[in-house]
Amino acid sequence: GAVVSQHPSWVICKSGTSVKIECRSLDFQATTMFWYRQFPKQSLMLMATSNEGSKATYEQGVEKDKFLINHASLTLSTLTVTSAHPEDSSFYICSARDRDGGEQETQYFGPGTRLLVL
Amino acid sequence: GQNIDQPTEMTATEGAIVQINCTYQTSGFNGLFWYQQHAGEAPTFLSYNVLDGLEEKGRFSSFLSRSKGYSYLLLKELQMKDSASYLCAVMDSNYQLIWGAGTKLIIKP
Repeated sequence: GAVVSQHPSWVICKSGTSVKIECRSLDFQATTMFWYRQFPKQSLMLMATSNEGSKATYEQGVEKDKFLINHASLTLSTLTVTSAHPEDSSFYICSARDRDGGEQETQYFGPGTRLLVL
Repeated sequence: GQNIDQPTEMTATEGAIVQINCTYQTSGFNGLFWYQQHAGEAPTFLSYNVLDGLEEKGRFSSFLSRSKGYSYLLLKELQMKDSASYLCAVMDSNYQLIWGAGTKLIIKP
């Protein structure tokens, strides 16, 4: 089946630094990628929808200048948390939609990236 | 390798009961999640099992057997709004989520 990877798996950083998280679709082309935050035992909160070659669409309440998203190719999207603060500590999950998914438009989820800001 | 298996699609009748199975093979185990996802929406958390047994929450119940690498989600008194995809995900020893491909549940009147 389709595989989505994220890098890094874990990141610990100091407050004020920027952190980049990569999301890759390994064996399919994804025109659309999604970025989520998840708090323990809670639903995934959609942060933004990223379309290849265009600007990301951010959900209400998500600061686009703080969470920079780049979707430069059909297999890679990056989320950069700029000037990270402890409240940004969370589990970030990406998903990718297969361009050739047809009616199903199945989303494939990545394993997540744990961010801890000290 | 790590693997999560669940049926691709299931059909059930309104008012009935349906059981969605999930089997897994992962490197380590730190819990199993069930999510519901309606088309075009973010996944909604349904349940988290880390110990063997049945967890009941209203019309939805989730069961886990760690020795068998098996879980199921049981939906009772099905409603049309329960038509959605149901995702099984296991957290491995590195606290990474391994996702199943999802089961599309179709509810018929």
